[in-house]
Amino acid sequence: EVQLEESGGGLVQPGGSLRLSCVTSGFIFSSFAMSWVRQAPGKGLEWVSGISGSGSKAYHADSAKGRFTISRDNSKNTLYLQMKSLRAEDTAKYYCTKGFWTGLFGIDVWGQGTTVTVSS
Amino acid sequence: EIVLTQSPGTLSLSPGEKVTLSCRASQSVSGSYLAWYQQKPGQAPGLLIYGASRRATGIPDRFSGGESGTDFTLTISRLEPEDFAVYYCQQYDKSPYTFGQGTKLEIK
Repeated sequence: EVQLEESGGGLVQPGGSLRLSCVTSGFIFSSFAMSWVRQAPGKGLEWVSGISGSGSKAYHADSAKGRFTISRDNSKNTLYLQMKSLRAEDTAKYYCTKGFWTGLFGIDVWGQGTTVTVSS
Repeated sequence: EIVLTQSPGTLSLSPGEKVTLSCRASQSVSGSYLAWYQQKPGQAPGLLIYGASRRATGIPDRFSGGESGTDFTLTISRLEPEDFAVYYCQQYDKSPYTFGQGTKLEIK
């Protein structure tokens, strides 16, 4: 069974930093693209960042460029999202998601999410 | 950036009815790289359709996807009580891999 378990969310002040982690199991991690998708309270889904299976290619939404860095450790089956210069509008539930294949960023499995709150 | 526009925003329907949801892309989506997801309150989304028209594993055949140029549709042939939820489309052709704003199906 494929499992994605996020951690690292919490309350952070504006301008602060946070690192999200997603530990995975049940599939060959290095063979699949992974993404972070977020959902602000009461709002829709926003794709944030994605990374290819090998980790050689990373992509970010404009809202994340220059502030967020996605990475992965294929030896640990773990996905990360380093977030800095956080803003109130980054407040959301962040989902770790598994892609269809190494370069395909459609999503076939979602984690349960970790909540990030940016507030003073 | 490919912008996906879903319509309508909210639909009020009764169980047993047929419904078609729309997702229009601002430019061509190559390879039919369009997926549909269902999200129920308090839950993570789940995959329904990928490749514009292919049902994901375990999805009932009352769900079907269609494509005509830059217009994509999700049809539910006969609404069941568990189908009342929010539906999102996503293109995974070009980064950023954008979502539509969602369509909420509510019970009439």
